[in-house]
Amino acid sequence: NAGVTQTPKFQVLKTGQSMTLQCAQDMNHNSMYWYRQDPGMGLRLIYYSASEGTTDKGEVPNGYNVSRLNKREFSLRLESAAPSQTSVYFCASSPQGGLYGYTFGSGTRLTVV
Amino acid sequence: GQQLNQSPQSMFIQEGEDVSMNCTSSSIFNTWLWYKQDPGEGPVLLIALYKAGELTSNGRLTAQFGITRKDSFLNISASIPSDVGIYFCAGQWETSGSRLTFGEGTQLTVNP
Repeated sequence: NAGVTQTPKFQVLKTGQSMTLQCAQDMNHNSMYWYRQDPGMGLRLIYYSASEGTTDKGEVPNGYNVSRLNKREFSLRLESAAPSQTSVYFCASSPQGGLYGYTFGSGTRLTVV
Repeated sequence: GQQLNQSPQSMFIQEGEDVSMNCTSSSIFNTWLWYKQDPGEGPVLLIALYKAGELTSNGRLTAQFGITRKDSFLNISASIPSDVGIYFCAGQWETSGSRLTFGEGTQLTVNP
């Protein structure tokens, strides 16, 4: 039972570089989410996809784009990385909304230098 | 958006002590959830609450859905070193389909 799988686990980027964080779930969940976690600031929602074919902005979408490739996969792209995007990124999924909670991946630790 | 106030922000306790933390909201929530995040991992669901007044246990953990539906509490009894981590509350203020709102977390340190 893999659950939610995120790749890569660690990444160092130079300012201005681009990259895509990958997320896949094998639980047949409809909804998927991208969060960032910074010290003392909890979990902040970047983007989410309530169902396949839809995406919406969360609290902190600036500097990011997402793609819901299919029901299983939801990717997060940084077009031009900035030091302020140094963070730990978590992908999560749920059957539908938050009623039964989210299942989280183990995170991607990103450093932008 | 909806705000959750979680307290305390951090706790330093001795092994064997009991721990209490809580979350409050200005809005009525229909669902309260408690997560634990181990160092270097993603949050994992501990307890889910769906009715006002509900009291639910998971081993040494007990959580309650407040009567006003605007708060929730998590208690850990007889703490052990592996309880170390960040505990998050999360709530949903509408029926199925609505996103969760997360508290800022309580960092728990347990000294052996």
